[in-house]
Amino acid sequence: GIQVEQSPPDLILQEGANSTLRCNFSDSVNNLQWFHQNPWGQLINLFYIPSGTKQNGRLSATTVATERYSLLYISSSQTTDSGVYFCAVSGYSTLTFGKGTMLLVSP
Amino acid sequence: EPEVTQTPSHQVTQMGQEVILRCVPISNHLYFYWYRQILGQKVEFLVSFYNNEISEKSEIFDDQFSVERPDGSNFTLKIRSTKLEDSAMYFCASSGQGLEAFFGQGTRLTVV
Repeated sequence: GIQVEQSPPDLILQEGANSTLRCNFSDSVNNLQWFHQNPWGQLINLFYIPSGTKQNGRLSATTVATERYSLLYISSSQTTDSGVYFCAVSGYSTLTFGKGTMLLVSP
Repeated sequence: EPEVTQTPSHQVTQMGQEVILRCVPISNHLYFYWYRQILGQKVEFLVSFYNNEISEKSEIFDDQFSVERPDGSNFTLKIRSTKLEDSAMYFCASSGQGLEAFFGQGTRLTVV
């Protein structure tokens, strides 16, 4: 099956800093999604981005499908951005998740 | 905004008991999924369901598990004879004609 690797595994930032999270995947995909898992365990959809670039407020994402990676950018981070960020990919339907990046934003 | 809803949010059960986790997918979606996340680990695929039958299942989804769509709105996961290692967060998800999946808030299952 498809392998998904996320880096870094952990990240500590001060409020206001910017960060880049990376997701590498081993095969061509039709679906790539970024999620934020909040402290209550909910998986919040951030982006559906099998290719190209999207922006939503302070967050943006870029997927280069031909090179099998995706990047999630967080600008001007806030304490509420803390949590685990998952990248998940699929070839057709079922998603394979990476292990996540645990982000802690301190005030 | 349409959302996937799951009940209960928490369930504690004794080892060996049967549990049923319930989900109401987004109404016009066609594909339904169950995933689980053991505490501190990544989210793992269990099973997908389309057109009233299982379309794909993982190695985790053995004879202990079953899924059902008992009516036009609910989608359930049954775990027979629960084991301690079944303790996890269970997520239901659904997707439409497009591939983007939307997840419910999860059911935290604790087997004691």
